[in-house]
Amino acid sequence: QQQVKQSPQSLIVQKGGISIINCAYENTAFDYFPWYQQFPGKGPALLIAIRPDVSEKKEGRFTISFNKSAKQFSLHIMDSQPGDSATYFCAASGGSNYKLTFGKGTLLTVNP
Amino acid sequence: DGGITQSPKYLFRKEGQNVTLSCEQNLNHDAMYWYRQDPGQGLRLIYYSQIVNDFQKGDIAEGYSVSREKKESFPLTVTSAQKNPTAFYLCASSTPTEADTQYFGPGTRLTVL
Repeated sequence: QQQVKQSPQSLIVQKGGISIINCAYENTAFDYFPWYQQFPGKGPALLIAIRPDVSEKKEGRFTISFNKSAKQFSLHIMDSQPGDSATYFCAASGGSNYKLTFGKGTLLTVNP
Repeated sequence: DGGITQSPKYLFRKEGQNVTLSCEQNLNHDAMYWYRQDPGQGLRLIYYSQIVNDFQKGDIAEGYSVSREKKESFPLTVTSAQKNPTAFYLCASSTPTEADTQYFGPGTRLTVL
């Protein structure tokens, strides 16, 4: 049973465009929603995260939008650059054990 | 520099052999985690430990074992009982004040020959 569904599996964007990756969750106990960025052969790195008390969080070109009623959250990358080409994972956690449940990832390619 | 180190970066093993993957952190984090990553599958939790001398099974613990004798170290043993061990293995850690924020190591790629 996949508790966090991520889409699309892959995404191709032109330089300067907006990249949008979506995630949906089922478990209403989730209260922390991070996004990780992973380059080939490397470990994932925390990019940005949000908690349900806000509907949007922005850090530089990266924005998380959160819709609690729809149980969905998304990552927007503004002015996408070739250096943003990587795999992006959404995740969710909640409860006392802080276990993260990951989506299956989105391979983003930004063409120059 | 504080961080998480995993060794070796690449590991080859023959079928039927046990192999141990190293994970060390100098971040003074209490919790440590092991994940397995397969293409198109995301990250799946194998084992996690919130304190020394205690650990819990994750979603795919069968064929794996761990120990947590020191706060800094959380080695993972892939046993011969793991039917499909070829994968990218990632170690992570977190601090009690931000327990759900996990920081990852660089990973070990295990290939069974």
